[in-house]
Amino acid sequence: GAVVSQHPSRVICKSGTSVKIECRSLDFQATTMFWYRQFPKQSLMLMATSNEGSKATYEQGVEKDKFLINHASLTLSTLTVTSAHPEDSSFYICSARRYHSSTDTQYFGPGTRLTVL
Amino acid sequence: AQTVTQSQPEMSVQEAETVTLSCTYDTSESDYYLFWYKQPPSRQMILVIRQEAYKQQNATENRFSVNFQKAAKSFSLKISDSQLGDAAMYFCAYRTNTGTASKLTFGTGTRLQVTL
Repeated sequence: GAVVSQHPSRVICKSGTSVKIECRSLDFQATTMFWYRQFPKQSLMLMATSNEGSKATYEQGVEKDKFLINHASLTLSTLTVTSAHPEDSSFYICSARRYHSSTDTQYFGPGTRLTVL
Repeated sequence: AQTVTQSQPEMSVQEAETVTLSCTYDTSESDYYLFWYKQPPSRQMILVIRQEAYKQQNATENRFSVNFQKAAKSFSLKISDSQLGDAAMYFCAYRTNTGTASKLTFGTGTRLQVTL
């Protein structure tokens, strides 16, 4: 199967600090990864599409200077929450697109719970 | 823009019974994919089943099957012989097959409880 990891699984930080979350596709290459945010008992909201070798595409209303995305290689994308505030506390989930001739599917990481004090 | 609607916030089924989760969507496109994802308490999103819109045959994966009605824009998930491990949030999702866009649009989810 297709495995996607996220690190860390949980992080607690102080207000004003920056936090980096890593998303890795372990057994396939992913030119496209996605970052979602999920509030309690709600659905996933797409924040941005991460493209290897180019700039990320952000959804409307998502601050690109606040949520920095870097897709450094075909297996790694990072999301950095800069100058985090309590309202940034949430569950962040990444997914990686696995694409070849017979299938085109997103596989999800286990998520990262961010708590900003 | 495409929208996905799941009208059942919560459903309950007895173990070994069958349950159907509903999903409708709105799109003007003819070529797209539909998915059901499961999110158990661990919050790991797991792909349950996928359906290509150009295929008339309903997708099946073991105890999971869909009823895809393209004209009605309906995509329900049937879980047969329900097991305790099926208890989770279930999300229906839509993805266009036009151009290079591959992002998913999710419904609001249905929480499935499985009782003994």
